[in-house]
Amino acid sequence: ETGVTQTPRHLVMGMTNKKSLKCEQHLGHNAMYWYKQSAKKPLELMFVYNFKEQTENNSVPSRFSPECPNSSHLFLHLHTLQPEDSALYLCASSHSPGGPRYGYTFGSGTRLTVV
Amino acid sequence: QQQVKQSPQSLIVQKGGISIINCAYENTAFDYFPWYQQFPGKGPALLIAIRPDVSEKKEGRFTISFNKSAKQFSLHIMDSQPGDSATYFCAASLYGGATNKLIFGTGTLLAVQP
Repeated sequence: ETGVTQTPRHLVMGMTNKKSLKCEQHLGHNAMYWYKQSAKKPLELMFVYNFKEQTENNSVPSRFSPECPNSSHLFLHLHTLQPEDSALYLCASSHSPGGPRYGYTFGSGTRLTVV
Repeated sequence: QQQVKQSPQSLIVQKGGISIINCAYENTAFDYFPWYQQFPGKGPALLIAIRPDVSEKKEGRFTISFNKSAKQFSLHIMDSQPGDSATYFCAASLYGGATNKLIFGTGTLLAVQP
C-alpha cells in the first residue's frame, strides 16, 4: 500500500443515490487532492485542500461536494450523479507549498459506476 | 498554457528494447517535471522527476532527458521488461509558489512483449 487509503474500491450507484468516497493518509502531508480519471483523458484535478482549507475548485459541478475535516482525511460526497460521472476517482496527498517536493502519493482509487 | 502534451498514446516494445515517451509544455513557469507509472487497478506512483536546471536524470533503467529551450522532456526505459508494462504519465508543476498542483499528460500505454 502507498500510505493513501481509499474506500470503497468499487461503487455502483443510481442517479438518485447519495454516497461518499473516503480517503485517508498517514504520511504527514498537509495537502490533499481529488482527481478524476476517465478513459483516454488526462487526469482531471477536481479539488485541492491545503491545511484543511479548500484552495482550488476546478469548476466541478455541485453534485460533487468535498469535505476535509483534518489534514489526514478527505471525503467526496456524491448526489444525483450522471452516467458520464462514471470514472476512477483518485485521492492524492503531498506536502503543502513551500514544503519538501517529493511529488504526490496516490491512493488506488474508487471505481465509480453510475447506472 | 496549462497543458502538457504527451505522445505516443500507446507503445509496443520488445523485451530488451528501449521505450521512449515524449512530453511538451508551454508554460515556462513550470519547474518540476515528474513521471508517474500506473498499473491496472492501482493509482499512479511517482517513478522519477527532474528540475529544469538539469538536462538529464537517471535512476536505474529509467532516464529523463530535459530540453529547456524546446520545452520538451522525455522518459527513456532501457532494457524494457514485461514488468514495465503499464501506463506512464508525465506531469508538470510549479515549485515554491502558492500552488502545488500537478498538470498531467494524457498517458502512454506501454506493452513490453516477451
